[in-house]
Amino acid sequence: QKEVEQNSGPLSVPEGAIASLNCTYSDRGSQSFFWYRQYSGKSPELIMFIYSNGDKEDGRFTAQLNKASQYVSLLIRDSQPSDSATYLCAENTGNQFYFGTGTSLTVIP
Amino acid sequence: DVKVTQSSRYLVKRTGEKVFLECVQDMDHENMFWYRQDPGLGLRLIYFSYDVKMKEKGDIPEGYSVSREKKERFSLILESASTNQTSMYLCASRPAGAGGLTEQFFGPGTRLTVL
Repeated sequence: QKEVEQNSGPLSVPEGAIASLNCTYSDRGSQSFFWYRQYSGKSPELIMFIYSNGDKEDGRFTAQLNKASQYVSLLIRDSQPSDSATYLCAENTGNQFYFGTGTSLTVIP
Repeated sequence: DVKVTQSSRYLVKRTGEKVFLECVQDMDHENMFWYRQDPGLGLRLIYFSYDVKMKEKGDIPEGYSVSREKKERFSLILESASTNQTSMYLCASRPAGAGGLTEQFFGPGTRLTVL
């Protein structure tokens, strides 16, 4: 059984700070990793994905992947109150995605 | 713009009823998925389908069945609803191929309550 672990939080950061969200996974054969944001009562929406070791930046978001440590992270720079949501980490192998339970983030104005 | 729609946002059913949840996607995706989401348990895969009339069990298929008669439509069936099936149900679709570099697109979800 593949496992994706996330700290459930809640994580609170002040507006303008950097939020750091972390995820570990059990399967060394995992191909790619996805970060989704989910607002309360809504469905998940993709923020970004990463498949190579290192960093990938998209606007205020940076995903980091370390395959040796089986670790994926998401950094949110200049956090805004609108970033308050649950963030889901998922790993993909073949057709299936395996999701973590999510980290709840609150950005305090 | 990819669109995944689900037949109901909110549904209330009685124990023992047969329940149909419908999902339609408009982007000709080969793969479709049904998840349930519960607090503290995250998204758990019930069934997925990689082609018309093809289906694979996910992690929690017990008490559920699926049907995919057309490429754009994937139905989840609760044969005899029970209170422990009260949950948020999310449908997703995804194109095949691309070496794992494509996302899953989610529908808006159906919040099912079984009384």
